[in-house]
Amino acid sequence: GNSVTQMEGPVTLSEEAFLTINCTYTATGYPSLFWYVQYPGEGLQLLLKATKADDKGSNKGFEATYRKETTSFHLEKGSVQVSDSAVYFCALTRYEKLTFGTGTRLTIIP
Amino acid sequence: KAGVTQTPRYLIKTRGQQVTLSCSPISGHRSVSWYQQTPGQGLQFLFEYFSETQRNKGNFPGRFSGRQFSNSRSEMNVSTLELGDSALYLCASSSTSGDNNEQFFGPGTRLTVL
Repeated sequence: GNSVTQMEGPVTLSEEAFLTINCTYTATGYPSLFWYVQYPGEGLQLLLKATKADDKGSNKGFEATYRKETTSFHLEKGSVQVSDSAVYFCALTRYEKLTFGTGTRLTIIP
Repeated sequence: KAGVTQTPRYLIKTRGQQVTLSCSPISGHRSVSWYQQTPGQGLQFLFEYFSETQRNKGNFPGRFSGRQFSNSRSEMNVSTLELGDSALYLCASSSTSGDNNEQFFGPGTRLTVL
């Protein structure tokens, strides 16, 4: 079946540090890949997506590249801000069903 | 455009009772999916409806059911509640079918079973 494995948290960084959250997946066929973010007390918001191999999704300074050869979709940001503190979920879709990773809680310290 | 709305936002029930949660998708969206979020199991897919038809179902017992109305609004029902059903229930809508389509999430209904 389909599954997503992402870096365990929590992750604590200082403001302006470089961020990487690892994500790998197992899926039949060619899934679409997503990163969602969840702020405290809120639902999920789409951060970025990639629908085919070598696609790069980007938004708000975050980037992730769909790597078919390594089945990975790592999330990166060059300089994090306090406002980036949230829980980040890597996910894939196959047949309209989202399969999520366990989530990584990120805390940015001023 | 208004986002996905879910009602109620919070619910407290006791074991054995049943509960109905409601989701109104973004106007024009025909697909509605439901997810359960718990600290132990994370985010798990419950079911997906498109044009009033259930197309996908996750691995949950028959106590969990849902339906979609002709205006795309959806409800999910949980009967004979158990303590383990305490969770945040999230609804998501998308405009059409297809894996490339973004699912837009509502704020969730937090269910507590005592």
